[in-house]
Amino acid sequence: EDQVTQSPEALRLQEGESSSLNCSYTVSGLRGLFWYRQDPGKGPEFLFTLYSAGEEKEKERLKATLTKKESFLHITAPKPEDSATYLCAVVSGNTGKLIFGQGTTLQVKP
Amino acid sequence: ETGVTQTPRHLVMGMTNKKSLKCEQHLGHNAMYWYKQSAKKPLELMFVYSLEERVENNSVPSRFSPECPNSSHLFLHLHTLQPEDSALYLCASSQYSQGYGNTIYFGEGSWLTVV
Repeated sequence: EDQVTQSPEALRLQEGESSSLNCSYTVSGLRGLFWYRQDPGKGPEFLFTLYSAGEEKEKERLKATLTKKESFLHITAPKPEDSATYLCAVVSGNTGKLIFGQGTTLQVKP
Repeated sequence: ETGVTQTPRHLVMGMTNKKSLKCEQHLGHNAMYWYKQSAKKPLELMFVYSLEERVENNSVPSRFSPECPNSSHLFLHLHTLQPEDSALYLCASSQYSQGYGNTIYFGEGSWLTVV
């Protein structure tokens, strides 16, 4: 069964304290792994797409990496404005459907 | 500005009311979606439309009725809802309805409260 699990569920960091969010997946024939950012009361905002193991993408303080079983979203020297829920989703090669994880809620304190 | 616009942003309705959510996409995409987001749960896909035809209905109760008059507009008609239907309803669009590298873009969502 296709499945996406994100950890931790919640993460509190001090401003400048780097860390990583994890997205573990089990799908048949990965057709893409997506990271989204969601601010409270708003829709998810697209961040990255990764397609194959070893691929990396960067945007400001965020860097996404992909292996055959999981993806990491590394946050370097975070700022309070990075506080949000980060969602991971994968496209199943079997069904073509986008399957979401439950998200990691990040809080960065000044 | 995501290119996907939803109205209203907030809606409170009684269980006997009939209301509609509206979505418009300005991205030239061919597929549109309705998702439901409840607290502490992953996004749930409700409906998928591709080129104005419904291609997926994920066992959604009939009190939710989608309508896609053209590839840029999507509606979700609501009637006789239950309090447990209170959630954030997200509209989204993508170039194709499925497949490789198909990024889905979301609107800001419509907060629905059923009283």
